[in-house]
Amino acid sequence: DSGVTQTPKHLITATGQRVTLRCSPRSGDLSVYWYQQSLDQGLQFLIQYYNGEERAKGNILERFSAQQFPDLHSELNLSSLELGDSALYFCASSAGQYNEQFFGPGTRLTVL
Amino acid sequence: DAKTTQPNSMESNEEEPVHLPCNHSTISGTDYIHWYRQLPSQGPEYVIHGLTSNVNNRMASLAIAEDRKSSTLILHRATLRDAAVYYCILTVYNNNDMRFGAGTRLTVKP
Repeated sequence: DSGVTQTPKHLITATGQRVTLRCSPRSGDLSVYWYQQSLDQGLQFLIQYYNGEERAKGNILERFSAQQFPDLHSELNLSSLELGDSALYFCASSAGQYNEQFFGPGTRLTVL
Repeated sequence: DAKTTQPNSMESNEEEPVHLPCNHSTISGTDYIHWYRQLPSQGPEYVIHGLTSNVNNRMASLAIAEDRKSSTLILHRATLRDAAVYYCILTVYNNNDMRFGAGTRLTVKP
């Protein structure tokens, strides 16, 4: 158990809908990262937050957005969902901006 | 971004050492070398990282070539639990933005 929690574990929704994925980092960790893992694209970095502020951006679509709240938990919002958005979404946390990352168990999103 | 090249797959026998290679010929002086692994149905897990010198921890050893253009992750005695996809990743100093490649799928045979 990495100490990072993600909810929900599974999410099934329809095209065009909007969903929110939630991540609670390890106690004391200030950085949160979001990754997408699909069969054809592998593990892709989406975005990083550090202490509430966006720090780095990867291959995140404009339809996706994230934020980190004062209590350090983070949410990833996915809107206008497409079939290709079906994937595992991982959250990771680290103590600082440049430390070892601890990954959560992931949220499996299925878009029908 | 500096890229890494790893074999798609490797096999090992249980209780034997495993050497997982990674080529990173375009590495720059400030790039750190990280290794993570992903066990089936789990999120990635940190294994080890280094800059120039060889590193050891309870999980593995990291051997870094003198010119830093390649590195090798060493599992001293593979167990069935070590069957996973192993990722070699470079990160620039001052940036924890990790770009995962396809990794090496390690199969451990009993």
